[in-house]
Amino acid sequence: DIQMTQSPSSLSASVGDRVTISCRASQSINRYLNWYQQKPGEAPKVLIYLASSLEGGVSSRFSGSGSGTDFTLTISSLQPEDFATYYCQQGFNTPATFGQGTRLEIK
Amino acid sequence: EVQLVESGGGLVQPGGSLRLSCAASGFTFSSHWMNWVRQAPGKGLEWVANIKQDGSEQSYGDSVKGRFTISRDNAKNSMYLQMNSLRAEDTAVYYCARARTLERFLDYWGQGALVTVSS
Repeated sequence: DIQMTQSPSSLSASVGDRVTISCRASQSINRYLNWYQQKPGEAPKVLIYLASSLEGGVSSRFSGSGSGTDFTLTISSLQPEDFATYYCQQGFNTPATFGQGTRLEIK
Repeated sequence: EVQLVESGGGLVQPGGSLRLSCAASGFTFSSHWMNWVRQAPGKGLEWVANIKQDGSEQSYGDSVKGRFTISRDNAKNSMYLQMNSLRAEDTAVYYCARARTLERFLDYWGQGALVTVSS
């Protein structure tokens, strides 16, 4: 199985900050990397698919980059509604493994 | 509007069985791979299983292989997860999720069904 490792596991930031979350795959997954946002008590919501494609309706302050084994999610200017947990997931093969999550908290 | 609604969750004893259902609407159900993803209390997301559009292929995560069975009924726009030999570590919210096939991501999720395995 492909292991997905996110860093950091948690992050404190302020409104307006630029934030970067990293995700590393244990083997190459080409660009089959997706990012999800989950708020407490809610289902996850996709933000980015195929490493850098923004899902419809998602704010352009979210962006993704990377290929192969190393990927990044960037939030350009944090808004209050962005404080949540973020997960990466590989779609290269099954099982479609998730990273352990990055909890983004208000500083 | 795409909707996925899970049902069938509840409290079950260790070693018991439970069947989850996912009712889909608002899209052509038979055109999409479908998935189950779970989340234990306070933990991260774990992919459980998926099933091809016509039901001819299924895949499972290692932790449920041999105990869980995914199936679908395209005539009823529904997907199912039969869970047998349940363990305490299967306690989780189970989400039904639609896959956008070519791009290989989960684009719509249900609200989740809580399964609690406890004596």
